[in-house]
Amino acid sequence: LAKTTQPISMDSYEGQEVNITCSHNNIATNDYITWYQQFPSQGPRFIIQGYKTKVTNEVASLFIPADRKSSTLSLPRVSLSDTAVYYCLVGSNYGQNFVFGPGTRLSVLP
Amino acid sequence: DAGITQSPRHKVTETGTPVTLRCHQTENHRYMYWYRQDPGHGLRLIHYSYGVKDTDKGEVSDGYSVSRSKTEDFLLTLESATSSQTSVYFCAISPSTLAGAIDSYNEQFFGPGTRLTVL
Repeated sequence: LAKTTQPISMDSYEGQEVNITCSHNNIATNDYITWYQQFPSQGPRFIIQGYKTKVTNEVASLFIPADRKSSTLSLPRVSLSDTAVYYCLVGSNYGQNFVFGPGTRLSVLP
Repeated sequence: DAGITQSPRHKVTETGTPVTLRCHQTENHRYMYWYRQDPGHGLRLIHYSYGVKDTDKGEVSDGYSVSRSKTEDFLLTLESATSSQTSVYFCAISPSTLAGAIDSYNEQFFGPGTRLTVL
């Protein structure tokens, strides 16, 4: 199973860009990289997914280097409502071989 | 939001009693999952299903069983609950794999969770 490593916690201020890096040295050829966001007392919610290079949607960007052994979630201009736990997930539907790590607790301060 | 519900939302039970949690979806998605979430561990996969009557074990399956007799329902049973099974349980669903040379991963949609306390 591809195991991920993320910082346990991060602090930021409103309006700043936040970058959260995830290491996944054992990523397999079939694996995708997916990020989820979780607020207290709720289930995780999908943010963004990528396989290689850069992916951008309306809420975040995902940067994946050529070797795919890491990825960086970028949140532009965070607000207080972005305070949450962010999970990096690596895996594919083949054999359902994916594992959630402990996540990164992001605190956005005023 | 994806049509996924869990019942009950909260349950307190005693050690040794059987407990069944239900996950219900209205999306007709192929994959269904049960996770548990404990402080410091993120989410850990208990069991998953890839179709009616097709299930498999996840990372922490000991002490749990599942059943899926209909596409829309996925049941998680604790045959004899223990205090170590006190946790928040999340159900998730995911559509079928997209066709292509690389087996893709489709996002999972999570339910609201069930908080289970075993005394």
